[in-house]
Amino acid sequence: EAGVTQFPSHSVIEKGQTVTLRCDPISGHDNLYWYRRVMGKEIKFLLHFVKESKQDESGMPNNRFLAERTGGTYSTLKVQPAELEDSGVYFCASSPNNNAQYFGPGTRLLVL
Amino acid sequence: GEDVEQSLFLSVREGDSSVINCTYTDSSSTYLYWYKQEPGAGLQLLTYIFSNMDMKQDQRLTVLLNKKDKHLSLRIADTQTGDSAIYFCAEIPGAGSYQLTFGKGTKLSVIP
Repeated sequence: EAGVTQFPSHSVIEKGQTVTLRCDPISGHDNLYWYRRVMGKEIKFLLHFVKESKQDESGMPNNRFLAERTGGTYSTLKVQPAELEDSGVYFCASSPNNNAQYFGPGTRLLVL
Repeated sequence: GEDVEQSLFLSVREGDSSVINCTYTDSSSTYLYWYKQEPGAGLQLLTYIFSNMDMKQDQRLTVLLNKKDKHLSLRIADTQTGDSAIYFCAEIPGAGSYQLTFGKGTKLSVIP
């Protein structure tokens, strides 16, 4: 069974540009989560989808971040416009229930 | 509060046991987790324990939970060089939240 996949693995963009990150959860997992780790800090929750619905988006830092999960399969996280402080590693996780979350390899974002 | 605290570094000799400790503040935590991150990789779910348990063993891994002191530990028996990684403690608080709250991670170095 394939695990959670994320694309791209790395992204380097300039401040003010737009970046879109993609996550493909484990097949059949209704729950999909986004987290991020900025330099030197803990991994922080961003939001939680159940199928295509946003269950909890309390961790989204501001309105420059937009997450979607049309059709309840893969999800995208768009940052527009990107700022320097958005640099970090963005993780996606999925779970069939709410007990165990399985993480992808992450996307390393660097905003210059 | 939702703080999860871990020591940042641990060094052990190959063949010895490793004990990684974690403290948390949310007394209503339902599940507590240990994740492993190898260099350049994502977060691998190692094990988790429900808050009404005090111990869980899985091959070389033993998780101990002291709910009274809000203390969680991960013991790795017969530590191998392949165990070198960052280990993250995480919790899911109660009250219907499914956000994982992570510690900063403990970097385990295994000396051959």
